[in-house]
Amino acid sequence: DAGVIQSPRHEVTEMGQEVTLRCKPISGHDYLFWYRQTMMRGLELLIYFNNNVPIDDSGMPEDRFSAKMPNASFSTLKIQPSEPRDSAVYFCASSRGAGSYEQYFGPGTRLTVT
Amino acid sequence: AQSVAQPEDQVNVAEGNPLTVKCTYSVSGNPYLFWYVQYPNRGLQFLLKYITGDNLVKGSYGFEAEFNKSQTSFHLKKPSALVSDSALYFCAVRDSSASKIIFGSGTRLSIRP
Repeated sequence: DAGVIQSPRHEVTEMGQEVTLRCKPISGHDYLFWYRQTMMRGLELLIYFNNNVPIDDSGMPEDRFSAKMPNASFSTLKIQPSEPRDSAVYFCASSRGAGSYEQYFGPGTRLTVT
Repeated sequence: AQSVAQPEDQVNVAEGNPLTVKCTYSVSGNPYLFWYVQYPNRGLQFLLKYITGDNLVKGSYGFEAEFNKSQTSFHLKKPSALVSDSALYFCAVRDSSASKIIFGSGTRLSIRP
């Protein structure tokens, strides 16, 4: 099992540019979560999907952020336009179900917006 | 509403000594409780979980956690710390009726040789 795969691992971009982060969940997992981690705010849940359908996007900071899951094996998190305060590590995680099932995290994408 | 608290930002322990990382929680229903560890430049890694049954849960790398319903706590423990245990530890809780997990703020564990 390859685990959760995220790309790119590092992204450096200039303010105002569009950024797209990608995630491939573990096969057979029907929940997918996007998190953001910063020193100041810790680990924040941005949005999560169940069977490719967004369930709760209340953590998405603002309209500049959007996420999609076109199929069970792929999800994207897009920031347009990016700002320096978006600099963080973005994690994708997946789980087999809700309730008692643990989440499996990807290695993260470190985003730097200059 | 669900919540979880990790009262210590940092815990320092000498190698070979027992360690405890504290966690308290609040849920409206039955809790599912989790511990995760994060090593530098890595994603969070699942350590152990409590669902029901025995209050003492054993997990990876010799870690265990004790569920205490009356104190609403789920402290992480290890009898003998290793330098390689140095990492960031997150407690998390999920209400049995909810889909998402709530993570604590994290506790940095530092084991000195």
